[in-house]
Amino acid sequence: DTGVSQDPRHKITKRGQNVTFRCDPISEHNRLYWYRQTLGQGPEFLTYFQNEAQLEKSRLLSDRFSAERPKGSFSTLEIQRTEQGDSAMYLCASSLGTGENTEAFFGQGTRLTVV
Amino acid sequence: AQSVTQPDIHITVSEGASLELRCNYSYGATPYLFWYVQSPGQGLQLLLKYFSGDTLVQGIKGFEAEFKRSQSSFNLRKPSVHWSDAAEYFCAVGAGGFQKLVFGTGTRLLVSP
Repeated sequence: DTGVSQDPRHKITKRGQNVTFRCDPISEHNRLYWYRQTLGQGPEFLTYFQNEAQLEKSRLLSDRFSAERPKGSFSTLEIQRTEQGDSAMYLCASSLGTGENTEAFFGQGTRLTVV
Repeated sequence: AQSVTQPDIHITVSEGASLELRCNYSYGATPYLFWYVQSPGQGLQLLLKYFSGDTLVQGIKGFEAEFKRSQSSFNLRKPSVHWSDAAEYFCAVGAGGFQKLVFGTGTRLLVSP
């Protein structure tokens, strides 16, 4: 297992189009997270899955955003009707465990540019 | 609400010199603290973490950090910086029962010859 994998690495889309990103976590990791990172900022939490259940969504996740994790394996993040403000790096992370002292491993991210 | 402050946006250090990156956190309970490094266009790599126990933690690549509860700080240090250490460094606090991370805004480290 080579770690958390994200696809695509880069995406350029026109404003108003829909985009979908995929994240493959480390095998057996039951927790999966999505973060968004804009230029010059630290990553900001978007949403969290434990297995297939989406347990928390940030207020940053507007109704144009939807995330799924069918069967508790890979996850997808879809953005509908993209806006220029959606341009950012979208990072996926996964971790193993049910307690609090778990370590999150990050993928290399998908960089979205909305033109 | 949890928050992390990294007061230095940029730091320039000569190769071979020592390094200290500052991090202050705000968290009501016992914090779980992390330092991550991010190279250009890359994801985040964990350098070290503090959950409990010894307040001086050792990490990868020769980094260490000291947790000081009285100062709400978790500063990152390295005795001798290498050119390959040039990157962006993020301090984070684990929040909530499932450990979502709250990140600081990062410190960009430049290493001069």
